[in-house]
Amino acid sequence: EVQLVESGGGLVQPGGSLRLSCAASGFTFSSYSVHWVRQAPGKGLEWVSCISSRGDNKFYADSVKGRFAISRDNAKNSLSLEMNSLRDEDTAVYYCARSGYTNGLPSHFDYWGQGTLVTVSS
Amino acid sequence: EIVLTQSPGTLSLSPGERVTLSCRASQSVSSSYLAWYQQKPGQAPRLLIYGASSRATGIPDRFSGSGSGTDFTLTISRLEPEDFAVYYCQQYSSSPPWTFGQGTKVEIK
Repeated sequence: EVQLVESGGGLVQPGGSLRLSCAASGFTFSSYSVHWVRQAPGKGLEWVSCISSRGDNKFYADSVKGRFAISRDNAKNSLSLEMNSLRDEDTAVYYCARSGYTNGLPSHFDYWGQGTLVTVSS
Repeated sequence: EIVLTQSPGTLSLSPGERVTLSCRASQSVSSSYLAWYQQKPGQAPRLLIYGASSRATGIPDRFSGSGSGTDFTLTISRLEPEDFAVYYCQQYSSSPPWTFGQGTKVEIK
């Protein structure tokens, strides 16, 4: 059974930092791209970042570029998101999601974790 | 960036009714690279449809997707009590970024 379990969320002050983690199991983690997707309270879904299966390609939404850094450790089946210079508008539930593939390229999100809440507030 | 607009914002329906949800793209979504997700309160989204019309593993056949170009539809042939939720479309034709529609809420009338 595919499982993705996020951790590391919490309350942080504006300008602060936080590191999220996602533990993967039930599939060959090193064969899949993985994403972070967030959802502000009462709002819709927003894609945040993606990392390729080997970690050599990384993509970011404009809203987080230069502040967030995605990484992975395939030996430990884990995904991370380092978040710096946090803002009020970064408050959200952060989900990790496995990427499906279409014609060899990352496409839809076929499995999701349950999410971890990040609250940025003074 | 492709912007997805879903309509209507909210639908009030009764169990057993047929539902049609719309997702319109700001530019053509090539090769029908569009997915649909269902999200219930307090839960993570669940993949329903990918490639505009392919059902994900374990999804009942009352869910179907169609469309091409800029206009896509998710249809629920007969609403079950567990189908009341928020539905999102997502494109992967022009990614990054991967973009979502703003969602349609299907609520009990």
